[in-house]
Amino acid sequence: ELKVEQNPLFLSMQEGKNYTIYCNYSTTSDRLYWYRQDPGKSLESLFVLLSNGAVKQEGRLMASLDTKARLSTLHITAAVHDLSATYFCAVHPWEETSGSRLTFGEGTQLTVNP
Amino acid sequence: DAGVIQSPRHEVTEMGQEVTLRCKPISGHDYLFWYRQTMMRGLELLIYFNNNVPIDDSGMPEDRFSAKMPNASFSTLKIQPSEPRDSAVYFCASSPGGYYGYTFGSGTRLTVV
Repeated sequence: ELKVEQNPLFLSMQEGKNYTIYCNYSTTSDRLYWYRQDPGKSLESLFVLLSNGAVKQEGRLMASLDTKARLSTLHITAAVHDLSATYFCAVHPWEETSGSRLTFGEGTQLTVNP
Repeated sequence: DAGVIQSPRHEVTEMGQEVTLRCKPISGHDYLFWYRQTMMRGLELLIYFNNNVPIDDSGMPEDRFSAKMPNASFSTLKIQPSEPRDSAVYFCASSPGGYYGYTFGSGTRLTVV
């Protein structure tokens, strides 16, 4: 069974600081996704990472994928309050030859304080 | 495109009543997923469909839950009878498959009292 673990689960940081969220998964995967969820809202797609060494950036967020280590990171640069949200990684297992089933991590609740 | 449309947005019902949640996926998306989100258990996949056919319902908690997809543009998740522990946010998501991820609906917040 595929397990996806994020850490930390809760992160409180000051504006202007940098930090990294980690997503570890337990089986071979061919793609990984990052989503954002604002309180009381739905999940919004941020990034899709399709190959080893893939890096995607948008604004203050940068995601990377190391398939050999089964690890993805979401790096936050110079955090601002608007980034406060819960961030989920989601993994598609390699052996899922049919379908688009994703397994989600527990989510990292990020709070950026002034 | 209006995205994935769920209704109702909020539902409050009494224990024992039947609850029906509705979802309209994005046109052309072949996959439809039903998730439940709670603080305790996070995001749980309940069931998913491919081309209107249920592929995996192993996440459906028990026989009180049922889901249908009578056509490509509509799906329902029914709980009968409902119980307080069913209180959660239920999300529907659709995907065209391949390397594309999911597009989530706005969710239905269900409260069973």
